[in-house]
Amino acid sequence: AQSVAQPEDQVNVAEGNPLTVKCTYSVSGNPYLFWYVQYPNRGLQFLLKYITGDNLVKGSYGFEAEFNKSQTSFHLKKPSALVSDSALYFCAVSAYGSSNTGKLIFGQGTTLQVKP
Amino acid sequence: IAGITQAPTSQILAAGRRMTLRCTQDMRHNAMYWYRQDLGLGLRLIHYSNTAGTTGKGEVPDGYSVSRANTDDFPLTLASAVPSQTSVYFCASRGTGGHGYTFGSGTRLTVV
Repeated sequence: AQSVAQPEDQVNVAEGNPLTVKCTYSVSGNPYLFWYVQYPNRGLQFLLKYITGDNLVKGSYGFEAEFNKSQTSFHLKKPSALVSDSALYFCAVSAYGSSNTGKLIFGQGTTLQVKP
Repeated sequence: IAGITQAPTSQILAAGRRMTLRCTQDMRHNAMYWYRQDLGLGLRLIHYSNTAGTTGKGEVPDGYSVSRANTDDFPLTLASAVPSQTSVYFCASRGTGGHGYTFGSGTRLTVV
């Protein structure tokens, strides 16, 4: 069964500092990994995805994530945090095994708080 | 603008009542999904449909039903609402062979 873990309920960083939001996953088959962001009372916005190729993926708003197969991780990073980055972040995984269902399974979410 | 339309945006519903959440997409995506979002639990898959005429159960299907009569529409029905179904519901779709998921803006449902 597929699963995603985001071990931190909340991450606090100061503006201008680097940020990391952690994500580990478990799938059978090739993992396809995603990060989404949700601002208060809004829907989900796509940030980036890893399908294949370079392990370092660059996405929207200066975010990037590194796929690490041996550690089954896909941590979200940004070199310099902005107060406007404060939001709820979700990691998600989809696997295309023999069932080929493409279901997207989400982690529980991490609240990022960037303080001025 | 291509995308997913969910209706209603929000609803307060008396326990025991029947309710259908509507989801329509205009991208001709084959796969569609219903999720519920609850604090601390993330988004959990309720039901999905890989193509018109087929549906499947997700992680938390109890108390919900879906149908997929055509490609565009994927309604979610609560036959007899209970307070534990208070949540924000998101509909999503995915195109054939693609890895891009499109999400609707959500329906906030309160069951009292």
